[in-house]
Amino acid sequence: SYVLTQPPSVSVAPGQTARITCGGNNIGSKSVHWYQQKPGQAPVLVVYDDSDRPSGIPERFSGSNSGNTATLTISRVEAGDEADYYCQVWDSSSDHPHVVFGGGTKLTVL
Amino acid sequence: EVQLVESGGGLVQPGGSLRLSCAASGFTFSSYWMSWVRQAPGKGLEWVANIKQDGSEKYYVDSVKGRFTISRDNAKNSLYLQMNSLRAEDTAVYYCARVGYDICMDVWGQGTTVTVSS
Repeated sequence: SYVLTQPPSVSVAPGQTARITCGGNNIGSKSVHWYQQKPGQAPVLVVYDDSDRPSGIPERFSGSNSGNTATLTISRVEAGDEADYYCQVWDSSSDHPHVVFGGGTKLTVL
Repeated sequence: EVQLVESGGGLVQPGGSLRLSCAASGFTFSSYWMSWVRQAPGKGLEWVANIKQDGSEKYYVDSVKGRFTISRDNAKNSLYLQMNSLRAEDTAVYYCARVGYDICMDVWGQGTTVTVSS
């Protein structure tokens, strides 16, 4: 089955740029979505279809996807961005289509 | 306001059953695919099941096939997850989510906790 690989953790100082990667075989051919989850809260969609933002999500959040890696980029990181981030795709390549999540990346703001 | 509210979680013994519900409001429920996603304590997100707008297509993660059944009642704006033969590894917070563009999950409920333990 399809596997998405994320780094367990990423650390960044306030005001700097955080990049969280999501690796998968030819992931560039799929639509990638990103979620932010703060402790004790439900996930929130922050980027969909590789690089689009839902209404209400700051422009600091952006995404890209090419080859075997998708990337969530958070510019001008703030303390409030500290959270777990998950990538997700829909794998329709088999007889049993299914949703796949990455293992998640904990973003720490130093 | 678009909202999803789960209910029905609780403590159940191994081998037991539980039925989760998700009440939708603020949008045309019958126009959307819907999902269940779970999160075990301290772990990441795991997709459980999807159901098409009219209930004609359903997909499940392998670990719950034959034990869990996703269903919906569009007249009641409600999504369900019938969970049978529960195991300790099914212990998790269960979220219902609306499926949006390109199979993203654009609206989430607050979750309901299921604990399988003797």
